[in-house]
Amino acid sequence: EAGVAQSPRYKIIEKRQSVAFWCNPISGHATLYWYQQILGQGPKLLIQFQNNGVVDDSQLPKDRFSAERLKGVDSTLKIQPAKLEDSAVYLCASSLGDREIDGYTFGSGTRLTVV
Amino acid sequence: AQSVTQLDSQVPVFEEAPVELRCNYSSSVSVYLFWYVQYPNQGLQLLLKYLSGSTLVKGINGFEAEFNKSQTSFHLRKPSVHISDTAEYFCAVNTNAGKSTFGDGTTLTVKP
Repeated sequence: EAGVAQSPRYKIIEKRQSVAFWCNPISGHATLYWYQQILGQGPKLLIQFQNNGVVDDSQLPKDRFSAERLKGVDSTLKIQPAKLEDSAVYLCASSLGDREIDGYTFGSGTRLTVV
Repeated sequence: AQSVTQLDSQVPVFEEAPVELRCNYSSSVSVYLFWYVQYPNQGLQLLLKYLSGSTLVKGINGFEAEFNKSQTSFHLRKPSVHISDTAEYFCAVNTNAGKSTFGDGTTLTVKP
């Protein structure tokens, strides 16, 4: 079984530029999550999708962050414009069911550096 | 609201020694508990989870954890660690109605 695919692995941009990250979950996994992991901290949920619908985006800074999962499969997370404090690893995870108790499968993440 | 506290940010141990990584949580409702491991430049991998039943949970790579409801703890243990266990370990709590909340992690460093 292929894992959760994320790209790119690394990205360096200047502040006020835009950036996009891509995630392809495990085949058949209905639920997809985007997490932000700042250095020295645990992952913080940004947004959760169930198929192509948003379940929870309460922690997503909507003035600069956006995410979509148009066909209920792969997903894109965008930041526009980026700030220095957005430097972090952005993790995508998926799960089979719609409940977190199933446990997540994480991708390797995208490390974003904003300079 | 739920929260997780990992009591040690760094735990250095020698190879073949036992180790315990401590995790305490707070929640006003019943919880599910998880431990994840993160190797350098990789995503998190599920080690084990407690959903219900026996309070002693066994996971992959020889790790186990014990759920203690009265002390609101879910400590992770391994009787004998290997160099390859060097990684970041995250405790997470979840309620059926909520989302997983992660602790800030414990860096386990196994020295030869």
